[in-house]
Amino acid sequence: GENVEQHPSTLSVQEGDSAVIKCTYSDSASNYFPWYKQELGKGPQLIIDIRSNVGEKKDQRIAVTLNKTAKHFSLHITETQPEDSAVYFCAASKGTGRRALTFGSGTRLQVQP
Amino acid sequence: NAGVTQTPKFQVLKTGQSMTLQCAQDMNHNSMYWYRQDPGMGLRLIYYSASEGTTDKGEVPNGYNVSRLNKREFSLRLESAAPSQTSVYFCASSEPPSSYNSPLHFGNGTRLTVT
Repeated sequence: GENVEQHPSTLSVQEGDSAVIKCTYSDSASNYFPWYKQELGKGPQLIIDIRSNVGEKKDQRIAVTLNKTAKHFSLHITETQPEDSAVYFCAASKGTGRRALTFGSGTRLQVQP
Repeated sequence: NAGVTQTPKFQVLKTGQSMTLQCAQDMNHNSMYWYRQDPGMGLRLIYYSASEGTTDKGEVPNGYNVSRLNKREFSLRLESAAPSQTSVYFCASSEPPSSYNSPLHFGNGTRLTVT
């Protein structure tokens, strides 16, 4: 089955700096890559996603890039703010069914004011 | 609009006890899911229900049963709790699985401790 590895497990940045979280996947048939943000005591919430026919997608301060050849994708957060502090999960799937989502192990991002 | 509601928020069980985790969504979604979250392991799918009346096993179904009571409600039952089932449990829902543009909507979780 699919295996998704996520790095780093923790990341601390100064407010205003950029943060990058990287994920690799094992199944070359995977074609959907969402990112979720989980705040303390809450469930994960989708922040951005990308399909395999697109190399990059941006939404204000966040962007995701995908390299299908290398089988990795990354989340980029620019101009970080304290409210960006949370746990971020990447995921991958190859089917249209959401049951096929395989999650990474998560990255705890701490933005220091 | 409450989204996905899970009850209870916290629960402590003794080994061998049983309990049911409740989940309800008010977004008229067809698909519902149960995940468990353990430190350093991300979210792992326990069971899912593509539509009312259907359920399927996910990655870690052993020790659990589910019931899709109606379109809104999807419950998870632990018949004989074990310490290995100590975890945070999340229920989620989505539009029909055929939609790429449909995100998973998660509840706020149930923190279960089995002693």
